[in-house]
Amino acid sequence: AQSVTQPDIHITVSEGASLELRCNYSYGATPYLFWYVQSPGQGLQLLLKYFSGDTLVQGIKGFEAEFKRSQSSFNLRKPSVHWSDAAEYFCAASGGSYIPTFGRGTSLIVHP
Amino acid sequence: ETGVTQSPTHLIKTRGQQVTLRCSSQSGHNTVSWYQQALGQGPQFIFQYYREEENGRGNFPPRFSGLQFPNYSSELNVNALELDDSALYLCASSPGTGVTGELFFGEGSRLTVL
Repeated sequence: AQSVTQPDIHITVSEGASLELRCNYSYGATPYLFWYVQSPGQGLQLLLKYFSGDTLVQGIKGFEAEFKRSQSSFNLRKPSVHWSDAAEYFCAASGGSYIPTFGRGTSLIVHP
Repeated sequence: ETGVTQSPTHLIKTRGQQVTLRCSSQSGHNTVSWYQQALGQGPQFIFQYYREEENGRGNFPPRFSGLQFPNYSSELNVNALELDDSALYLCASSPGTGVTGELFFGEGSRLTVL
């Protein structure tokens, strides 16, 4: 079955530190991959997406993600976290149906 | 450009009642998807509508039903509410099916079932 796994439920970082959020997928072929962010009480906003080509993709708000086929991973990174980055982050993948499956999310806590 | 809007933002119902949630898609988008997000979980796909026809359905019982109107707005109806239906219901629009799955979300309708 197709699935998306985010192994970390919570991640705590200090403001200014680097960040990496993990995402693994299980699909028959390379899916389309996404990272979304959800602030408290809000809907989801797309940060970045990978369809094909360059395996390092840049997104909004200074985020980037790297697709690694050999590891079935699509990890999200940011070199320096700001307090406003505190939110819930969701990895998602879509295959032939083009209907995304979401991971359970990782809650990012930023300490001053 | 108007984004995805949902109504109501919050509502409280009791077990056995019925609820209707509404969604206006982003301008130019003809596909609407509905997701259920339980507390502490990721969004779970309920169904998708494309040009007024159901275009895919997740693992939800028939008491979850929907409609899409000619202007591409949509409704989610849930009958015989159960306590476990308490969740944030998210509507998302996209410019068409087969377009990679990128979604534009509304802020959701939070349903509490007592």
